[in-house]
Amino acid sequence: DTAVSQTPKYLVTQMGNDKSIKCEQNLGHDTMYWYKQDSKKFLKIMFSYNNKELIINETVPNRFSPKSPDKAHLNLHINSLELGDSAVYFCASSQDRVSRHGYTFGSGTRLTVV
Amino acid sequence: SQQGEEDPQALSIQEGENATMNCSYKTSINNLQWYRQNSGRGLVHLILIRSNEREKHSGRLRVTLDTSKKSSSLLITASRAADTASYFCATGNTGFQKLVFGTGTRLLVSP
Repeated sequence: DTAVSQTPKYLVTQMGNDKSIKCEQNLGHDTMYWYKQDSKKFLKIMFSYNNKELIINETVPNRFSPKSPDKAHLNLHINSLELGDSAVYFCASSQDRVSRHGYTFGSGTRLTVV
Repeated sequence: SQQGEEDPQALSIQEGENATMNCSYKTSINNLQWYRQNSGRGLVHLILIRSNEREKHSGRLRVTLDTSKKSSSLLITASRAADTASYFCATGNTGFQKLVFGTGTRLLVSP
């Protein structure tokens, strides 16, 4: 059973399009995250939700909108895609908001904007 | 801004040798964690060390933490080809937690 699953794994789209990435965790964790990993492998947090409540919103363009319908799901919608949005997006979850036990990551969604 | 910087950026060793990676960070922390990322995969949590701990072991992994120097090291003993991956340190603070990741060390273990 996959603990944190993301779909799709690969996403190739044209500039200006709108796309969504879905994430689900079956670990019963309270907190979920979106991270962006750029071409230099630099990982940066984008958003964090705790029990469906947004608790971290880093300086991310408002073209990115997360949505958490329940604590097991955290989706990411991106409007008007730009070339610079090309990256690998990782969803993660943790048992609590203090992540005492570390994060569990999904396998990533590689987004390529052409 | 990036919290952690890792050193070296890349490390190439032979199977059976030990691999040591270092991580430096800038602000006070609650805990420091190490993750492994295999090529094209997600990150896997390896070990967590709290700010009041100095050393921790897990199998072939040994982590040290020096809060006075704001640095940590990860030692992998008796390395195997399967240890080939990128290794990241990540620091966590109190309150609303977000892990801030370092720049990573790419480890290549040759048979």
